[in-house]
Amino acid sequence: AQSVAQPEDQVNVAEGNPLTVKCTYSVSGNPYLFWYVQYPNRGLQFLLKYITGDNLVKGSYGFEAEFNKSQTSFHLKKPSALVSDSALYFCAVRISGGYQKVTFGTGTKLQVIP
Amino acid sequence: EAGVTQSPTHLIKTRGQQATLRCSPISGHTSVYWYQQALGLGLQFLLWYDEGEERNRGNFPPRFSGRQFPNYSSELNVNALELEDSALYLCASSLFQWQGATGELFFGEGSRLTVL
Repeated sequence: AQSVAQPEDQVNVAEGNPLTVKCTYSVSGNPYLFWYVQYPNRGLQFLLKYITGDNLVKGSYGFEAEFNKSQTSFHLKKPSALVSDSALYFCAVRISGGYQKVTFGTGTKLQVIP
Repeated sequence: EAGVTQSPTHLIKTRGQQATLRCSPISGHTSVYWYQQALGLGLQFLLWYDEGEERNRGNFPPRFSGRQFPNYSSELNVNALELEDSALYLCASSLFQWQGATGELFFGEGSRLTVL
């Protein structure tokens, strides 16, 4: 079984400040971890992924995420938030190998305040 | 390169009717996934097709069904519609991981189903 938890329904941050969107996961195998962003009335867009290797991964639009195996976390970060970053962010996990589905978290709404 | 395309964009049905949603994956992608996103909820996994076969299924009743065609496009059928089926239905495609990909999904814009 696999699951993803995004403990915050909403995160508010002032423009220019650093932002963090939290994600923890539970899997019974090696995880592939992903972040996606969804703008209103749109589909999801892929931001970044962790497969193996360096625990800090960089993605689109200046976002990065840190994989922490001991804490089973994969938090999304950005050094300086933009108003245009306001959107719904989803963390996702799948197990490597076989026909393993991708499980999404419930999403975190990021609101960047001008 | 064209992305994942879904049709129709919007669909309005009444309770008890059937709805059919369609999805065309990115060229070269063999896997198609369907997710339901109801208002206020996250993405709920519905179905996964690869090479024409159903590979995995979420915790949905049998009235949710689908298929994948030889050109890898897919359709999702929802029979005996209920009010709670109102949601955004998202289709995504990917290269199956055995092809060397790492499984990130590429989503379409979704089909919004409203059941009255």
